[in-house]
Formats: sequence, structure tokens, C-alpha cells
Amino acid sequence: AQSVAQPEDQVNVAEGNPLTVKCTYSVSGNPYLFWYVQYPNRGLQFLLKYITGDNLVKGSYGFEAEFNKSQTSFHLKKPSALVSDSALYFCAVRGYNDMRFGAGTRLTVKP
Amino acid sequence: DTGVSQNPRHKITKRGQNVTFRCDPISEHNRLYWYRQTLGQGPEFLTYFQNEAQLEKSRLLSDRFSAERPKGSFSTLEIQRTEQGDSAMYLCASPREGFYGYTFGSGTRLTVV
Repeated sequence: AQSVAQPEDQVNVAEGNPLTVKCTYSVSGNPYLFWYVQYPNRGLQFLLKYITGDNLVKGSYGFEAEFNKSQTSFHLKKPSALVSDSALYFCAVRGYNDMRFGAGTRLTVKP
Repeated sequence: DTGVSQNPRHKITKRGQNVTFRCDPISEHNRLYWYRQTLGQGPEFLTYFQNEAQLEKSRLLSDRFSAERPKGSFSTLEIQRTEQGDSAMYLCASPREGFYGYTFGSGTRLTVV
């Protein structure tokens, strides 16, 4: 079965520093991978996806993610964090009938 | 505006009452998904529809949960005899053509007191 794991419950970074939010996946076949962000009391907003092609995927709000097949990882990155990036981030993998999500990583960016 | 509309945004109910939530998905797509998200957790798949047919419902949490999509457009999720453990955010999602992923509504937050 398709699954993803987010090994960190919490990530803290200072504003202006680079950030990384980690995700590993387990799939049979080619993975369709996604990152979503959630602000308090809101639904999930799409950030970026990997379907095929370049391993470095660029998305919304300056975020990017690197697909690494050998390490089965899909880490979310941003070169310079903003306080407004503070939110809950979810990695997800598309299955046949549904989408499976990780438990989420809370990102806090401090001024 | 994501194109997926959910009502109400918030619902507070007393334990034992029945509640119903509505989702209006992206109009051009025939699939619709329901998820539940508890505090601090990722969304958990509940059920999905293709048009009016409910193709997967084994993941509904108990027989108190039911969903319908009578005309293949909007959908409702009902919880009967609510319990405090049902308190959660209930999310509806719809695929977007050529997108491979889902677009989510803003959710309905249920609080059972």
C-alpha cells in the first residue's frame, strides 16, 4: 500500500534561514507525491507535486521539493524562510482510490 | 476560493445528536472524497463517490457514519448519535482535471460537547 512518513513533528527555523521539511515514501510503482500546507482552521492548500520529470520541483510561495528515488524521499525546501511560512505541512501520496497523508510537520519560523 | 465549498464551517452539537455536513465539489469532476482530520494529525480517508455511486465505504469509522451523493453533484456526510470522539475537521476534496491531486474545501469543524 502507498504511504508516506514525516519523521519530524516540529521544525523551527529563524527567518531568512533555509528550511527543510522531510518526507519519505513507500509505494509500489511510480509515486505521485504532493505537499500541502494548512493554516489554522483552514483546509489544505496545494504547494507542489511530483509526477514525473525533473527531480527538483518548484511550487507556490517559493517552495521547492527534491524527489530522490534511491532514498525514497521527497523533502520540502525553501532557501529563505518567512515568518508567514509558519503552518502545518503535509506530505501525501496518491493511491489508486485515495490520497494518503503523513502525520504533518509543524513549521515555526521565528523573527 | 478553491472551487470546493463546504457548509457549515463550524458545528457545535450535543452528544447524541445527529449532524449533517454538505460539500459542493468542483462542478466538472465526477469524483468526490471525504476525509476526517483530528487535531495534530493528517487527514484520514473516509469514503469516495464516482458520480452518485459510493465506491469505497469500508473506511467509514462506524455504522453511525453515512454519506450520500444523490444526484452526482453535492454530497452530504451524516453522523448519527454523535460522540465526543467525533470532534474533528471534516474535509471534502475533488480532483482537478490534469492535476493528479485533490483540491480541498475549507472543511467543517465539528465540536461535540
